[in-house]
Amino acid sequence: AQSVTQLGSHVSVSEGALVLLRCNYSSSVPPYLFWYVQYPNQGLQLLLKYTTGATLVKGINGFEAEFKKSETSFHLTKPSAHMSDAAEYFCAVSAFQGGSYIPTFGRGTSLIVHP
Amino acid sequence: KAGVTQTPRYLIKTRGQQVTLSCSPISGHRSVSWYQQTPGQGLQFLFEYFSETQRNKGNFPGRFSGRQFSNSRSEMNVSTLELGDSALYLCASSPSLGGSTTDTQYFGPGTRLTVL
Repeated sequence: AQSVTQLGSHVSVSEGALVLLRCNYSSSVPPYLFWYVQYPNQGLQLLLKYTTGATLVKGINGFEAEFKKSETSFHLTKPSAHMSDAAEYFCAVSAFQGGSYIPTFGRGTSLIVHP
Repeated sequence: KAGVTQTPRYLIKTRGQQVTLSCSPISGHRSVSWYQQTPGQGLQFLFEYFSETQRNKGNFPGRFSGRQFSNSRSEMNVSTLELGDSALYLCASSPSLGGSTTDTQYFGPGTRLTVL
C-alpha cells in the first residue's frame, strides 16, 4: 500500500527564514503529488501539484516543491516565511492501485512562525 | 463563484445512530470526493463520485456509503455510528474529467461529527 511520510510533526522557523517541509512517498511508479495547506477550522487549499513535466513546481504564496524520483521525495520550500504561513501542511500522493487512483495523505506538519 | 459548501457544520450523534452529511460542489464541478480527518488516523480518502457513479473507493467499512445526485450534490451516510467515527468529514470537488484523485480539488470547510 502507498505510504506518505512527512518528517516532523512540527517545524518552527523565524519570520524571514527559509521554510522546508519534507515529504517522502513509497510509490514505485511516478504518482501524482500534491501539497495542501489547512488553516484552523477550514478545509484544505491546494498549494501546488506535480503531474508530469518539469520537476520544480511553483505554487501559490511563494511556495515551490521539487519532485525527485530517485529519492521518492517532494519537499516543500519557501525562501522567506511570513507570519501568515503558520498553518498545517499536508503532502498527498495519488497512485494507481487496484485499478484506480487512490489519494494518500501524510500526517501533516504544523508550521510555526516566530516573529 | 461560491465555494464548496457542507451542511451541517457541526453534528452530535450517539452510538448506533446513523447520520447523513451533505456537500454542494462548486457550480460546474462533476467530481466529488469525501475524506475523514481524525487526530489518530489523519486524512483518509473515503470515496469519489463522478456523474452519479462511485469511481474510487478507499478502505472503509460498508457502514460508510455515499451517493451523488444529477446536480452533482453529494451525500455521505454513516450507519450504526461508533465512537471512532468522530471526525471532521471533508468534501472536495474537482472540475477535471480526471477526477478529484488526480487533479486539483477544492475543499469545503467540513462537517465536525461527534459521536457520544
